[in-house]
Amino acid sequence: DVKVTQSSRYLVKRTGEKVFLECVQDMDHENMFWYRQDPGLGLRLIYFSYDVKMKEKGDIPEGYSVSREKKERFSLILESASTNQTSMYLCASTGAGERWNEQFFGPGTRLTVL
Amino acid sequence: AQRVTQPEKLLSVFKGAPVELKCNYSYSGSPELFWYVQYSRQRLQLLLRHISRESIKGFTADLNKGETSFHLKKPFAQEEDSAMYYCALSGRGTGNQFYFGTGTSLTVIP
Repeated sequence: DVKVTQSSRYLVKRTGEKVFLECVQDMDHENMFWYRQDPGLGLRLIYFSYDVKMKEKGDIPEGYSVSREKKERFSLILESASTNQTSMYLCASTGAGERWNEQFFGPGTRLTVL
Repeated sequence: AQRVTQPEKLLSVFKGAPVELKCNYSYSGSPELFWYVQYSRQRLQLLLRHISRESIKGFTADLNKGETSFHLKKPFAQEEDSAMYYCALSGRGTGNQFYFGTGTSLTVIP
């Protein structure tokens, strides 16, 4: 089974703090994604990466950055957390070529910014 | 632009009744369509994809390119079907991206 793990299930931070969300996958997948999930808005793509050190902006990258130093790890960084970044954050991965067309999700990190 | 529309945010049906969750899409190439499901306190997971043409947990979905739809159907709803359902689209022209709809929360009433 594909395992996508996220470093925290729940996180509470204060406005202005720098926040790191970590995601690790163990299936040697090339592509990794960060989404935020909000009621009524569905899943919105923040950033994705198709290779080590490569990144692409998604639909809502403002206020976020990412890092992919190793193939299995994709980090989401909130440079200066704000209350409107309170949300559920989902990490996902998928393979390339013939393995690209199913996304495997992590359990999610519920972030609250006070 | 690629877009996925799920017109119903909430859907309630009685146990044993048929259920249909609607999904329409906009895509200029040949899309891959998926349904993902998230049960309470569980992670989002793939339910089915159109290329597989299979029935999962009694659910089916047919890709209608003429109507650009990929509705999810089940003839007899069960209580355990209560969950959040997301329709998603991907394709060779999307740069490995997946586009998700806003989701439909299905409640099956006992």
